[in-house]
Amino acid sequence: AQTVTQSQPEMSVQEAETVTLSCTYDTSESNYYLFWYKQPPSRQMILVIRQEAYKQQNATENRFSVNFQKAAKSFSLKISDSQLGDTAMYFCAFMDSGAGSYQLTFGKGTKLSVIP
Amino acid sequence: GAGVSQSPRYKVAKRGQDVALRCDPISGHVSLFWYQQALGQGPEFLTYFQNEAQLDKSGLPSDRFFAERPEGSVSTLKIQRTQQEDSAVYLCASSLGRTGDNNEQFFGPGTRLTVL
Repeated sequence: AQTVTQSQPEMSVQEAETVTLSCTYDTSESNYYLFWYKQPPSRQMILVIRQEAYKQQNATENRFSVNFQKAAKSFSLKISDSQLGDTAMYFCAFMDSGAGSYQLTFGKGTKLSVIP
Repeated sequence: GAGVSQSPRYKVAKRGQDVALRCDPISGHVSLFWYQQALGQGPEFLTYFQNEAQLDKSGLPSDRFFAERPEGSVSTLKIQRTQQEDSAVYLCASSLGRTGDNNEQFFGPGTRLTVL
């Protein structure tokens, strides 16, 4: 079974600064996807960024980028130029692309607060 | 509608009552997932449908939990004889397909179930 660990329950960052959220995972699979989801206080989960394990290039979406270290099983999220709207719970998630069920396995989340 | 919708948004049940939670996925999405999110935790997988077929129900915590998607669109999660430990937010997600760009799961707002 896969496990996802987010070791930072809470973090804060000043507006316009950069913050990095950590995620490690454990799997014996070679083909998989990794995701960061954002869950604002309204609770609707939104995809932030996705990484395919076979791609060595780190994914980037505007102010969001990842540092994917496959050998270390690490998948951190960097948020640049933090904005007040980035305040939310952030969940790292794993999907085994070879399995019959494409369920997501989530970490416990990191609560990010952006301070004006 | 443009997104995944769920109803009711809030449900209070007395212990022992049966409840039914509804999910309307994005039109045309083949895959549908149910997750349970306890307070302060990440979502945990319950069950997965591909069209009307329930392909994975390994996450259902007991035989009191039952899910269906009879026509391959709307899904209902039913909990019989509710217990206090069933109190959680139940999230529904849908995706267009299973792999690559089609594997992004779009989440609904959730149903917050409180069992007294």
